[in-house]
Amino acid sequence: RKEVEQDPGPFNVPEGATVAFNCTYSNSASQSFFWYRQDCRKEPKLLMSVYSSGNEDGRFTAQLNRASQYISLLIRDSKLSDSATYLCVVNRAGNTGKLIFGQGTTLQVKP
Amino acid sequence: EAGVVQSPRYKIIEKKQPVAFWCNPISGHNTLYWYRQNLGQGPELLIRYENEEAVDDSQLPKDRFSAERLKGVDSTLKIQPAELGDSAVYLCATRSLKDTGELFFGEGSRLTVL
Repeated sequence: RKEVEQDPGPFNVPEGATVAFNCTYSNSASQSFFWYRQDCRKEPKLLMSVYSSGNEDGRFTAQLNRASQYISLLIRDSKLSDSATYLCVVNRAGNTGKLIFGQGTTLQVKP
Repeated sequence: EAGVVQSPRYKIIEKKQPVAFWCNPISGHNTLYWYRQNLGQGPELLIRYENEEAVDDSQLPKDRFSAERLKGVDSTLKIQPAELGDSAVYLCATRSLKDTGELFFGEGSRLTVL
């Protein structure tokens, strides 16, 4: 079993739709969490950190459920430019710098 | 400010040949990572440096892979000899733990082994 798991998709949605991705992690002591975005044939870039109380950045909302060990990303009012792969990233506890990436979830927003 | 610089961007070699990748981090970033990303997969950690010290190389295939970070700045990743299964994108990323701890990636080095 992978330490960080995501549904690879692809998720095909129309413009304006709301879409949600989930990510589960196996190490219950993991301390910090992130969502990265990766465009086709480009490098990953930080989309947002995920805080315990949940956080929002414009159309993007991230949630953390420690009890169930999952992280979610909600995208409202999808734009064509949101088409990308979204990578869930977990910082393993006790090893501050070790960042574990999920497989990524591919989103394709259609006109 | 310059980002993480990697070279070469693309490399095509025949199996059993050696190959080396180079990474220049963002100035002041003490932590440097090498990741390997296969098609359709997330980045997989190969090695992590804190300054010049390799603090996590548990996933580096040491029979053929080696890495170094002299003087705690630039880093090189070498594969010798390359195998067909080594075809992937090799990503260098750096991080400063002083601020948000965001990971900054280079554009990657795409390796094709024939």
